[in-house]
Amino acid sequence: NAGVTQTPKFRILKIGQSMTLQCAQDMNHNYMYWYRQDPGMGLKLIYYSVGAGITDKGEVPNGYNVSRSTTEDFPLRLELAAPSQTSVYFCASSYSTGNYGYTFGSGTRLTVV
Amino acid sequence: RKEVEQDPGPFNVPEGATVAFNCTYSNSASQSFFWYRQDCRKEPKLLMSVYSSGNEDGRFTAQLNRASQYISLLIRDSKLSDSATYLCVAAIISGGYNKLIFGAGTRLAVHP
Repeated sequence: NAGVTQTPKFRILKIGQSMTLQCAQDMNHNYMYWYRQDPGMGLKLIYYSVGAGITDKGEVPNGYNVSRSTTEDFPLRLELAAPSQTSVYFCASSYSTGNYGYTFGSGTRLTVV
Repeated sequence: RKEVEQDPGPFNVPEGATVAFNCTYSNSASQSFFWYRQDCRKEPKLLMSVYSSGNEDGRFTAQLNRASQYISLLIRDSKLSDSATYLCVAAIISGGYNKLIFGAGTRLAVHP
């Protein structure tokens, strides 16, 4: 049981490049999330998904896209990378509702230069 | 105003000390509350849920005051390994899912 797995752990992108951050969970969680964390700031929700085929925007979705073709996978796509997207990205998953917290992946540290 | 506010710290305490962190939340519809721990350059990990009656897990005690919209975490007999950032979290049901709102965190440094 690996939990939530994110790849890559680190990446440097040039301005205007694109990339996909991978996230997979093996806990059969319906709910998955993408967050970004900037220094000294709280986690900001980018996108979330309540199940396969269903995604929705969070607080800071601009510049990102997601898909959820299976319960296990929830990739985050960055198109036309910008320096403002330099951040640490965390994927998380959870059971549906109720008094459950989230399980986080180990993060992807992205630098856009 | 931030939805979940915490004192950023850092709190510098000696081993064995008792330290308390406070947190306030602005949305009275919040239904669940948590404390997460985040080590430097690592992911947040669930430390404990917070229940209305208060709850304890070893050296850690969490309290919730719904009337004041206030959450606290008490750590007794601090260990060097407790050094981390502690994130206060309030959850509401929004759009059919359990939406977690994270505070920016309180940093704790325990020294010998």
